[in-house]
Amino acid sequence: AQRVTQPEKLLSVFKGAPVELKCNYSYSGSPELFWYVQYSRQRLQLLLRHISRESIKGFTADLNKGETSFHLKKPFAQEEDSAMYYCALRKAGGTSYGKLTFGQGTILTVHP
Amino acid sequence: DAGVTQSPTHLIKTRGQQVTLRCSPKSGHDTVSWYQQALGQGPQFIFQYYEEEERQRGNFPDRFSGHQFPNYSSELNVNALLLGDSALYLCASSPHTGPREAFFGQGTRLTVV
Repeated sequence: AQRVTQPEKLLSVFKGAPVELKCNYSYSGSPELFWYVQYSRQRLQLLLRHISRESIKGFTADLNKGETSFHLKKPFAQEEDSAMYYCALRKAGGTSYGKLTFGQGTILTVHP
Repeated sequence: DAGVTQSPTHLIKTRGQQVTLRCSPKSGHDTVSWYQQALGQGPQFIFQYYEEEERQRGNFPDRFSGHQFPNYSSELNVNALLLGDSALYLCASSPHTGPREAFFGQGTRLTVV
């Protein structure tokens, strides 16, 4: 079974502070991990995926298979980063019919 | 490109009724997935359609059914509505090949009273 856990429902930081949103997963096979973001009154959108190894809007995330984690990090948070963040998992490879398993989400609030 | 579009945006139904939600995928996408998002929860996978067939299904009862049309658009049908079916229903589309990134619609908010 696939499971994604985001232990923090709410996370508050001040502008310019580092931020880390935690994500742990359990999956017996080889996973693809994603972070999705939902800004206020906008649709859910992909922020980044582990296979791309890229930094988007200053965010990075490293897949740690030993700790089964995929934490999202940003060294200097901005007010516009305030949003709901979801970690998601999908079976790697195979066909296109891979379901996404989401965590419960973390609401990030960046205070001025 | 309007992206993924869903209709209607809001819907109120009475317990026991049936409902149909609609989704048009992003241009160039041929795979459609449906998710249910209860208040305060992450989206939960209902099922996925490709080539007009249900390819994968989550842990939802048979009251939830779907359809995909030749133009790749899709419908989600829910029969015998329960109060617990009240949720935001999200449609996501993706291409069968390539990066397979899922694009989400704005969702349909279903309230069962």
